[in-house]
Amino acid sequence: GAVVSQHPSRVICKSGTSVKIECRSLDFQATTMFWYRQFPKQSLMLMATSNEGSKATYEQGVEKDKFLINHASLTLSTLTVTSAHPEDSSFYICSARDAEAGGSYNEQFFGPGTRLTVL
Amino acid sequence: GNSVTQMEGPVTLSEEAFLTINCTYTATGYPSLFWYVQYPGEGLQLLLKATKADDKGSNKGFEATYRKETTSFHLEKGSVQVSDSAVYFCALLDRGSTLGRLYFGRGTQLTVWP
Repeated sequence: GAVVSQHPSRVICKSGTSVKIECRSLDFQATTMFWYRQFPKQSLMLMATSNEGSKATYEQGVEKDKFLINHASLTLSTLTVTSAHPEDSSFYICSARDAEAGGSYNEQFFGPGTRLTVL
Repeated sequence: GNSVTQMEGPVTLSEEAFLTINCTYTATGYPSLFWYVQYPGEGLQLLLKATKADDKGSNKGFEATYRKETTSFHLEKGSVQVSDSAVYFCALLDRGSTLGRLYFGRGTQLTVWP
């Protein structure tokens, strides 16, 4: 089955530093990748949708300059949290949509998540 | 618009009990429906799916039937196990959307005691 990886799985950083999270589709090409944020015991909040080779589409209320998304290839998207602060601490999850998949449901495959803790 | 409403948890059951987690939806088009499961500290795994009315998705003893007339996709399992303890998310995909965005319910925490 399709596999999506995220790196790192956990990161602890100091306030004011930037952190980059990678999302890779390992055995398929992903034209579209999604970035979610999940607070404890809550649902996933879509942050942005990224399409390979174009600018990401951010959801309302998500700061573009704070959460930089790059989707430079069909197998890699990165989320950079710039000048991180403790309120940015969260669980970040990416998902990828298989560009080659047929059918009517366009399944997304999820990464294992990245736990970010900002001190 | 598109939205998903799930029954609020937490749900606590004894092993071998019957499980139902309710899910209803509103959609602008003709959606596909999914149930995802999230184990502690992990990402989401697809549990089952249904793409058209009256389809039944099933996996690992879990079932859900796409009911267009009641706009529902309730998750059921006849006999739960301790290993089923997790958070379950109902989700909708608007197939008319070129971006393929998923809309999630709030999630339902299930705890199964031995």
